Amino acid sequence: DTEVTQTPKHLVMGMTNKKSLKCEQHMGHRAMYWYKQKAKKPPELMFVYSYEKLSINESVPSRFSPECPNSSLLNLHLHALQPEDSALYLCASSQDPGNGYTFGSGTRLTVV
Amino acid sequence: QKEVEQNSGPLSVPEGAIASLNCTYSDRGSQSFFWYRQYSGKSPELIMFIYSNGDKEDGRFTAQLNKASQYVSLLIRDSQPSDSATYLCAVREQYNFNKFYFGSGTKLNVKP
Repeated sequence: DTEVTQTPKHLVMGMTNKKSLKCEQHMGHRAMYWYKQKAKKPPELMFVYSYEKLSINESVPSRFSPECPNSSLLNLHLHALQPEDSALYLCASSQDPGNGYTFGSGTRLTVV
Repeated sequence: QKEVEQNSGPLSVPEGAIASLNCTYSDRGSQSFFWYRQYSGKSPELIMFIYSNGDKEDGRFTAQLNKASQYVSLLIRDSQPSDSATYLCAVREQYNFNKFYFGSGTKLNVKP
């Protein structure tokens, strides 16, 4: 299995909703990442987990809450989002970041 | 803020030609450089990475690195319409190995 699987693929949520994005990999990769990408912009790093511990938080607002329950699974909990948070949310993993990432197919989030 | 600059394009080349994509970066201490391909609405896909000055070839792709000039490029030989995509340059931070900076990407159009 050489994939990073993200669910759901599309999500529409209201500003008062609570939802979660899920990311799963079974490649034994030790690092997992959340990126946010807006249209025609580069991916922006949000969080990095290394060996299941949060190692980087790029000053992300608290309405985004990451969780790494185990080495294969990464969640992003969403609460009280704003319309400007609408974007493609990408999960990635790597065994050795020096060899680059494997990205998931992303969750396209729309906040209404 | 460390920067990675790319010409947004679009870069148009005829089928069979060589496409040349360029990237400059601001962090002189960076050691690792990556090229990703992203089709419209899809997630980025790693093409190749380069650490050492000079050329690195992989099939139709050649990455070129010049650390003194803080410049990295990607050459695509025998360009195909299926190569039409946005190409993202990414630079790994010198001291935080899990942190990468992405350029905004160059859109490549290969015309049949």
